[in-house]
Amino acid sequence: EAQVTQNPRYLITVTGKKLTVTCSQNMNHEYMSWYRQDPGLGLRQIYYSMNVEVTDKGDVPEGYKVSRKEKRNFPLILESPSPNQTSLYFCASSSIGQSGGGYEQYFGPGTRLTVT
Amino acid sequence: AQTVTQSQPEMSVQEAETVTLSCTYDTSENNYYLFWYKQPPSRQMILVIRQEAYKQQNATENRFSVNFQKAAKSFSLKISDSQLGDTAMYFCAFMKPFSGNMLTFGGGTRLMVKP
Repeated sequence: EAQVTQNPRYLITVTGKKLTVTCSQNMNHEYMSWYRQDPGLGLRQIYYSMNVEVTDKGDVPEGYKVSRKEKRNFPLILESPSPNQTSLYFCASSSIGQSGGGYEQYFGPGTRLTVT
Repeated sequence: AQTVTQSQPEMSVQEAETVTLSCTYDTSENNYYLFWYKQPPSRQMILVIRQEAYKQQNATENRFSVNFQKAAKSFSLKISDSQLGDTAMYFCAFMKPFSGNMLTFGGGTRLMVKP
């Protein structure tokens, strides 16, 4: 089954304690990204990756890190989480193709993060 | 930078009736893609419909259709014969080609379908 998986699904942590949210896709997609969802703001992109070892900032990258060492995995790292990073996080993947985009993005189930 | 606005934070509709969700966007691009995503209580993001800006014909997927007005930069979603399972948050999203596949989302509209 084609899917994007994220772990953990729920996480409660304290300020400053480093954490990693994993993301994996089994569709051989080149493109992967991370979004955060906050009430009234929709989803905003944090980081994205066009392929292995190629990453770039989205709209809200401050306080986050990513890496893309393998095509299927794209972990999100919070080196020193703060309460304003309490949010719902989504990983997504898609093909890129030759037409410049427009392909459906497949989303993971989401990770609810609370930082106290 | 692109912006997407959904002016209706919440809406409700009776089962079997029709409802239209509004979306406007701002861009200087001529070619782009527009999407509607559905997020039910399970939180899963589900693609409802997709429109390519260079296509004048409005996209349709079963009970879901769009009214794409390029000059007005408007992209509304019409749900016909509403069903209880349509209860969800609906997000309008914009994508510029060759932009890293980045989606710019609106703030969402919460739709409640009442029996």
